Amino acid sequence: GESVGLHLPTLSVQEGDNSIINCAYSNSASDYFIWYKQESGKGPQFIIDIRSNMDKRQGQRVTVLLNKTVKHLSLQIAATQPGDSAVYFCADFNNAGNMLTFGGGTRLMVKP
Amino acid sequence: NAGVTQTPKFQVLKTGQSMTLQCAQDMNHEYMSWYRQDPGMGLRLIHYSVGAGITDQGEVPNGYNVSRSTTEDFPLRLLSAAPSQTSVYFCASRPQGGAGETQYFGPGTRLLVL
Repeated sequence: GESVGLHLPTLSVQEGDNSIINCAYSNSASDYFIWYKQESGKGPQFIIDIRSNMDKRQGQRVTVLLNKTVKHLSLQIAATQPGDSAVYFCADFNNAGNMLTFGGGTRLMVKP
Repeated sequence: NAGVTQTPKFQVLKTGQSMTLQCAQDMNHEYMSWYRQDPGMGLRLIHYSVGAGITDQGEVPNGYNVSRSTTEDFPLRLLSAAPSQTSVYFCASRPQGGAGETQYFGPGTRLLVL
């Protein structure tokens, strides 16, 4: 897969390839970050999260990387499957403000 | 548990009409919130509540009112609908202090204002 930023809304990958979705955040006070998957006609679904005292966290087929220096977050999906096709959003949570702020989203399309 | 439920699923309004979007959760979550999602964009926070009787404004509160008389329900009111309020509305709930995998979103209400 190839890296994309949120200014490029669609990422198309071949089934079986790895996908990398990137996200930039602006709030230095954010201490918790979440990736959501949203399928058509549904609400966002939690995928994986990471706290600001970590730089990497792995789940099942997904890995989130956090670079606080440049305020950048990425979601890596291994062996992308057709069921991974969806829009992916990053969100940052400011505990002091008790608010979750969403990024603009990237559409992932998986070609069979 | 039914989780977070929203009604209606779809609504068409004329400019100036009022309506209430309903949201209910049966998980005894303290925190509830309303978001709107415009085409190709992320969710933006309209209003939120940290418990019964307490509400606060989010990022885009203008044109919307909320109340929280019970833990379970958090209705969103449009007093005078405008075409700019055409959007998909999501309600969410989570325990106080929780986020991420403990936050649940409803299925959404699609609103079209003509």
